[in-house]
Amino acid sequence: GAGVSQSPSNKVTEKGKDVELRCDPISGHTALYWYRQSLGQGLEFLIYFQGNSAPDKSGLPSDRFSAERTGGSVSTLTIQRTQQEDSAVYLCASSSSPGTSTTGELFFGEGSRLTVL
Amino acid sequence: AQKVTQAQTEISVVEKEDVTLDCVYETRDTTYYLFWYKQPPSGELVFLIRRNSFDEQNEISGRYSWNFQKSTSSFNFTITASQVVDSAVYFCALSEAQAGTALIFGKGTTLSVSS
Repeated sequence: GAGVSQSPSNKVTEKGKDVELRCDPISGHTALYWYRQSLGQGLEFLIYFQGNSAPDKSGLPSDRFSAERTGGSVSTLTIQRTQQEDSAVYLCASSSSPGTSTTGELFFGEGSRLTVL
Repeated sequence: AQKVTQAQTEISVVEKEDVTLDCVYETRDTTYYLFWYKQPPSGELVFLIRRNSFDEQNEISGRYSWNFQKSTSSFNFTITASQVVDSAVYFCALSEAQAGTALIFGKGTTLSVSS
């Protein structure tokens, strides 16, 4: 597709269950970011992938959160043993530049809204 | 550590009013990049502008203008003659120059423009 695609768009789960959120970046984009947006909050950085480099995981809030990017393309964000405070919109973005030092434009998906009951 | 502060949580204006959205940032780097993004009610973030730390020239794009002042660590955004379609959440963001550094966002300012 032409843009960043995220699935599912909405996910309702019970506390304690694991969830997987998928991001399909724009073809050819080497950089991929995950952010979390909670109600009334800004965009909280979670993790960043760039090519074959080790990902920057510095934003992951706990060890229940993990992400992988297979083949330099699709990424999956996994949240284990979900808690109510994990409820948020999870946004994925991709960029053609290695960081924000060149064009700097991140293209965002529409997000996956996660609700933990 | 880098930080972005958008002190205005919500702003309400009437159509045709001018409105300025404030952004103050903190960074220890001498080279960095500042951004504004718009998030309309549909939810998808839209890139508006990128400015590097060596370019303090103000920029104007139609009804939008940006004022970058390193002396006050501010990168403010002004919408002239606001329109209802400008209603959205606006985010200011900062990235340090090192490749691979994540873009850090402020908490956003919700702008409501009424007719």
